[in-house]
Amino acid sequence: DVKVTQSSRYLVKRTGEKVFLECVQDMDHENMFWYRQDPGLGLRLIYFSYDVKMKEKGDIPEGYSVSREKKERFSLILESASTNQTSMYLCASSPHGGLARDEQFFGPGTRLTVL
Amino acid sequence: KNQVEQSPQSLIILEGKNCTLQCNYTVSPFSNLRWYKQDTGRGPVSLTIMTFSENTKSNGRYTATLDADTKQSSLHITASQLSDSASYICVVKGAGSYQLTFGKGTKLSVIP
Repeated sequence: DVKVTQSSRYLVKRTGEKVFLECVQDMDHENMFWYRQDPGLGLRLIYFSYDVKMKEKGDIPEGYSVSREKKERFSLILESASTNQTSMYLCASSPHGGLARDEQFFGPGTRLTVL
Repeated sequence: KNQVEQSPQSLIILEGKNCTLQCNYTVSPFSNLRWYKQDTGRGPVSLTIMTFSENTKSNGRYTATLDADTKQSSLHITASQLSDSASYICVVKGAGSYQLTFGKGTKLSVIP
């Protein structure tokens, strides 16, 4: 079974703090993704990575950065957390593209609250 | 702009009844369409995946259909169970892209 794990299920931080969200996958997938999910808005892509040390901006990268130093690990960083970054954060991974059936496998999510 | 629209936004049905969820999309060129189930507070889990040439795909009590000409898909749930209560998300992948276009989901509540 594909397993995508996220470092925390729930996280509470203060405005201005630096926040690290970690994601690890065990299926040797090339692609990894970070989304946030808000009520009424669905999932929105923040950043993705298709290889180690490679990253691409998604639809809403402002206020976030990412790091992919190892193939299995993809970190999302909030440099200075703000209240509007309170959300559910979902990590996903998928095998390298080209196959019509390549599927993204999601982690359990981290619910982040910024006070 | 690529879009995926789902209807209804929410639905309440009695246990044992059937229901159908709808998905319309504008993503082009098209690669595949997936339906995901997301339990409250959890990550989405794939139910079915269909490519251009597939019209229907079943996974137990879940049956998805795809009409690539009209860019419509449906998810039919048969003999609903309380555990079917969740959000169902339609996701479309464009050809030649890593990215997915997500619908906002249909929140299904199955009541006794």
